[in-house]
Amino acid sequence: GQQVMQIPQYQHVQEGEDFTTYCNSSTTLSNIQWYKQRPGGHPVFLIQLVKSGEVKKQKRLTFQFGEAKKNSSLHITATQTTDVGTYFCAGRSNYQLIWGAGTKLIIKP
Amino acid sequence: DTAVSQTPKYLVTQMGNDKSIKCEQNLGHDTMYWYKQDSKKFLKIMFSYNNKELIINETVPNRFSPKSPDKAHLNLHINSLELGDSAVYFCASSQGVVNQPQHFGDGTRLSIL
Repeated sequence: GQQVMQIPQYQHVQEGEDFTTYCNSSTTLSNIQWYKQRPGGHPVFLIQLVKSGEVKKQKRLTFQFGEAKKNSSLHITATQTTDVGTYFCAGRSNYQLIWGAGTKLIIKP
Repeated sequence: DTAVSQTPKYLVTQMGNDKSIKCEQNLGHDTMYWYKQDSKKFLKIMFSYNNKELIINETVPNRFSPKSPDKAHLNLHINSLELGDSAVYFCASSQGVVNQPQHFGDGTRLSIL
């Protein structure tokens, strides 16, 4: 079946270091959404990418959609404690939203 | 003003019992969803309703039965609860099924003893 693979499963970083999570789809996506889930919270929509090669920024967060619309990434520059949580991608294919397994961002003490 | 509200927030019950979770959204959306999130945080779609019609029905035991009395409500009834049903259940809503973001409720934490 259709899958969206998301890596890594976990990433431990020192505060101030960068963080990146990647999503790869087995099929071409019509769009891709990104969500953040804080510990004990619920997923919250961050952004949607639609166009091939699209890049969008939200302050320290940079989102990219690949040229073939099969992969996407989220990069956080200079992580802060408020960035802690699990980041999910969700790709749209044939009217279904296919979720990645999430990448948990952990800030080392 | 809570946009998507679920009740109860916590549900602790014995194996074999029947329980219901309720969800209401005040966003005026026409599509609602139920997700199951297990201990590994994987989000699995269970059901989706658009204008009260079932449009997604993933491989879920038939002990789970959704019901949408109107566009603003989607309830989930679970019969004969099993240990493996322990998880967080999220309700979500969106406007349409194609391009709009999903808005999630706070979740119902179900624990089976």
